Amino acid sequence: SAVISQKPSRDICQRGTSLTIQCQVDSQVTMMFWYRQQPGQSLTLIATANQGSEATYESGFVIDKFPISRPNLTFSTLTVSNMSPEDSSIYLCSVASNRGSNYGYTFGSGTRLTVV
Amino acid sequence: GENVEQHPSTLSVQEGDSAVIKCTYSDSASNYFPWYKQELGKRPQLIIDIRSNVGEKKDQRIAVTLNKTAKHFSLHITETQPEDSAVYFCAALNSGGSNYKLTFGKGTLLTVNP
Repeated sequence: SAVISQKPSRDICQRGTSLTIQCQVDSQVTMMFWYRQQPGQSLTLIATANQGSEATYESGFVIDKFPISRPNLTFSTLTVSNMSPEDSSIYLCSVASNRGSNYGYTFGSGTRLTVV
Repeated sequence: GENVEQHPSTLSVQEGDSAVIKCTYSDSASNYFPWYKQELGKRPQLIIDIRSNVGEKKDQRIAVTLNKTAKHFSLHITETQPEDSAVYFCAALNSGGSNYKLTFGKGTLLTVNP
């Protein structure tokens, strides 16, 4: 399966500032996704990062708050903008590699964000 | 869209016992069902998956069963060990759709008591 490097692993940020999270994959992948996981909760999809075009956002998430870039098939960034304490969460990137009949969705190690 | 329900939310077993976690899904077009294990502070790890053309799949102490008619699938862990303690998530995907999005259940906290 693909190996994902996600950084930073954690950060403490002041409200009103922005943080950009990077996700680097060791191979070209078609599909990349960004998730949010609040403490003790399941994974909520923020958006699908599309290479060469605008990301596709899920209900409740907007581009102004969570701008995403995907300049190529191995790299993506998620920015959390104008942060508030409610944005404190773990953010994870995920990629899907089609391994024959399986899809092999793999997650990055996550970014633990605390907004103060 | 797809909706995945997962039960129970917590499960406590004695070491050596079996554990069963159940999920139901709503979209009959879903055809790929992975299970993830997430240890505290770590990323979700894929432990087993099954496609809709198979009714059961086994990997050592872990097995997954799928009932397409009833739209439910289950994770079975036999001979549980303390290191099996973690949160387990089921998920469903329609690979014939246009977006390849996984929909996750809410998770089950499994505790294996020594």
